[in-house]
Amino acid sequence: EPEVTQTPSHQVTQMGQEVILRCVPISNHLYFYWYRQILGQKVEFLVSFYNNEISEKSEIFDDQFSVERPDGSNFTLKIRSTKLEDSAMYFCAKTFANTGELFFGEGSRLTVL
Amino acid sequence: QKEVEQDPGPLSVPEGAIVSLNCTYSNSAFQYFMWYRQYSRKGPELLMYTYSSGNKEDGRFTAQVDKSSKYISLFIRDSQPSDSATYLCAMKRDNYGQNFVFGPGTRLSVLP
Repeated sequence: EPEVTQTPSHQVTQMGQEVILRCVPISNHLYFYWYRQILGQKVEFLVSFYNNEISEKSEIFDDQFSVERPDGSNFTLKIRSTKLEDSAMYFCAKTFANTGELFFGEGSRLTVL
Repeated sequence: QKEVEQDPGPLSVPEGAIVSLNCTYSNSAFQYFMWYRQYSRKGPELLMYTYSSGNKEDGRFTAQVDKSSKYISLFIRDSQPSDSATYLCAMKRDNYGQNFVFGPGTRLSVLP
């Protein structure tokens, strides 16, 4: 089973602080994703990243969010100025080419105080 | 109308029962359909993946897709307490972006 490693597993931050969540896919796949799940709610698409560019993003993914693949392996999600409502589980995911098999990491839990 | 709907449950069944989980959707463009199992505070785990209409079986799990009714199902045979989790359906349009749309999930409890 393909592996996606996410760090940190849990981060607590103060409102207004910047947060960087990291994802390390084990093998070199083209499509990467960030999803968010607020506690008790559904999994929501944030952004997809293809060939080192944003492929698609949702309305949730506003100017306070950004994604990068700075060194060709790590895949990061940055939240510039966190708000209370950003508290959620953030999942990195990947697919094999352009199929429907979407594999998730274990998630990073973000708590904004 | 929400794009993907699921009964949130909770659904409680005795060990050994056959479980039926369902999703309905509104967008006829969806072509890829998936079922995930999610334990509390963990990442969703892919159980089944189906393209277009039809059935697929994998061990105790059977996925069915009826595109004409915009209805998908996951059946779990001989349910076990370890199957207790939230089950998410997900789907995406064929070759149209990468936005997988998830249902809200059904919480299942299998009682020993």
